[in-house]
Amino acid sequence: NAGVTQTPKFRILKIGQSMTLQCTQDMNHNYMYWYRQDPGMGLKLIYYSVGAGITDKGEVPNGYNVSRSTTEDFPLRLELAAPSQTSVYFCASRTRRVLSGNTIYFGEGSWLTVV
Amino acid sequence: KQEVTQIPAALSVPEGENLVLNCSFTDSAIYNLQWFRQDPGKGLTSLLLIQSSQREQTSGRLNASLDKSSGRSTLYIAASQPGDSATYLCAVSRNTDKLIFGTGTRLQVFP
Repeated sequence: NAGVTQTPKFRILKIGQSMTLQCTQDMNHNYMYWYRQDPGMGLKLIYYSVGAGITDKGEVPNGYNVSRSTTEDFPLRLELAAPSQTSVYFCASRTRRVLSGNTIYFGEGSWLTVV
Repeated sequence: KQEVTQIPAALSVPEGENLVLNCSFTDSAIYNLQWFRQDPGKGLTSLLLIQSSQREQTSGRLNASLDKSSGRSTLYIAASQPGDSATYLCAVSRNTDKLIFGTGTRLQVFP
């Protein structure tokens, strides 16, 4: 089972460049999330989606955009990269069913450095 | 605004010890609390989930308790092993959509 797959694993960007972090899940989950984790810190929610065509801002959305055209994919777009966006990015997904215990599945992360 | 704090930030213990990791949160109106494990360079793996109506959950050598009124949760690890070395994070959710994470406790268990 693939679970949640993120690409790329590592990327170095120059200030002002743009890129998209890809996230796909094969569990037919409705809920998908993007988090960032700075060194020694917990995870901060960037954006999330409760289903195809629906997205909403999290705690730290500035500088990012998302789309959810399919249930499987939830790409994260950085339009004008800044050094403050150097971080590890995690995509996650969860079923909508409350009785399932809301188990959330994470990808292995994407390490992004902006120089 | 919900804030989640984990103490200690780091912990180093010899193999075989029983240990307790602490998590506190400022807003007791939570839907559930989860404990996660994060290995270096990897994503997070869910260990235990406690619904707001529950007091504790157990999985193998792990036991998590929840005291919603005092805003506290503990993760108890029995008979620790070197393979338990990882960062442990707790997270709370107010509704079914979003998790608020603590900063984690980095655990090292040495032989």
